[in-house]
Parts: sequence; structure tokens; C-alpha cells
Amino acid sequence: QQQVKQSPQSLIVQKGGISIINCAYENTAFDYFPWYQQFPGKGPALLIAIRPDVSEKKEGRFTISFNKSAKQFSLHIMDSQPGDSATYFCAASTRERGTYKYIFGTGTRLKVLA
Amino acid sequence: DAGVTQSPTHLIKTRGQQVTLRCSPKSGHDTVSWYQQALGQGPQFIFQYYEEEERQRGNFPDRFSGHQFPNYSSELNVNALLLGDSALYLCASSRRGVAEAFFGQGTRLTVV
Repeated sequence: QQQVKQSPQSLIVQKGGISIINCAYENTAFDYFPWYQQFPGKGPALLIAIRPDVSEKKEGRFTISFNKSAKQFSLHIMDSQPGDSATYFCAASTRERGTYKYIFGTGTRLKVLA
Repeated sequence: DAGVTQSPTHLIKTRGQQVTLRCSPKSGHDTVSWYQQALGQGPQFIFQYYEEEERQRGNFPDRFSGHQFPNYSSELNVNALLLGDSALYLCASSRRGVAEAFFGQGTRLTVV
């Protein structure tokens, strides 16, 4: 019940295209859903996050769509660029003993072709 | 403003040895979490420190221990290293009660 399932495992998109990564969860107590971008040899960098009371959040070319009833959320990268080539992780979290810990998905390796 | 800083960046240890990894949180942050990221996998939660106490712990053996200092910096100690402990160890900092967390660049530990 603590798992977060992420798909696809890898994704190849043409420059200018839309990249879509999906995640699903079981634990309805999760109330914070961030997406992280990680380049090789670097730590994950926070991209965008959403709470379950919102169905969509957009920041620049990045959009999170959230479906509370289906317990699914997805990341859309519009106008994908070669510089977006990285591994993307979704995560889910809930407040416990005053603090948050993250359960991460398994990651999606995105390659954007020039 | 420095972000989350970790040291060292790379480390090679022999099976059975002990290792200490260090983390300085982002300015203004008081909560430190440690994650283990095996190659090709997502980060796995090890434990979290706030007010110098372990607040939450993931499914890791007692060989993994930690400490938080009064200046909020933290150490991760791993005893009796196994080959399977080879991974990228990530530190994340946050403010207590705030969900948003920021990660350091990680320490790459190789056990031979």
C-alpha cells in the first residue's frame, strides 16, 4: 500500500513534442505529490508538486494532472527540449509525526531527440 | 544561499568496514532525511531527523544509524558494510511541517 507505481520506464520524444509520465498510488493518506528531475551524477531537483485538492497545476512547460478518484497523477512536459533529457521520479508523501517522508516511483528515463 | 551540501562526493570502502557520510541542510531548514538510491532505482527512505532525534525510519537494518547536531547538520553511519550497500546516498532537507524537500548532490558509495 506504500508503493508508487511509475510508467513508462523509458521514453523517447522528438524535440517540440509532449512527454507524458504516469504514476499511481494506493494509500489514500498521501497528500503531497512532487515530481523530481535527476541528471546523471546529480541529486534529484524538485520540479513541481501538487496537493490532492487541485486537479491540475502548471509551471512553465511542466503540468501535473491529478485524478483523486483514480489515485493517479501524471507529468506533462510541453515543447520537450533536448535539455529535458533526464530521469524523472514521481513521489508521494503524507505528514507523520509532524514531518514528511517520500515514497518514490521507480523513475522514467526521458530522451528528447534534437 | 547554499543548498543542501553533502560530503564526500565519492567514497570507496571495503566490505566489513564502517563509513560516515555528512550533510548540511539548506539555510533555514531544520529537518534532515536520508535516502539510498541504488543504480537505476528510485530513492528509498532510510530515516529522518528533527530536533536531534530520529523521527521516522524506513525498512533498513540497525547497521544504518544517524545523528543530527544542534546546527541541524547530520551524519549517516553504516557499519559492517556489504557489497549491496553500494549506492548513491542522498540527503534531503526541509522545514518541519512543510512537505517541500530539497536534495543534495549525493555521496556515491562503492563497497568492494
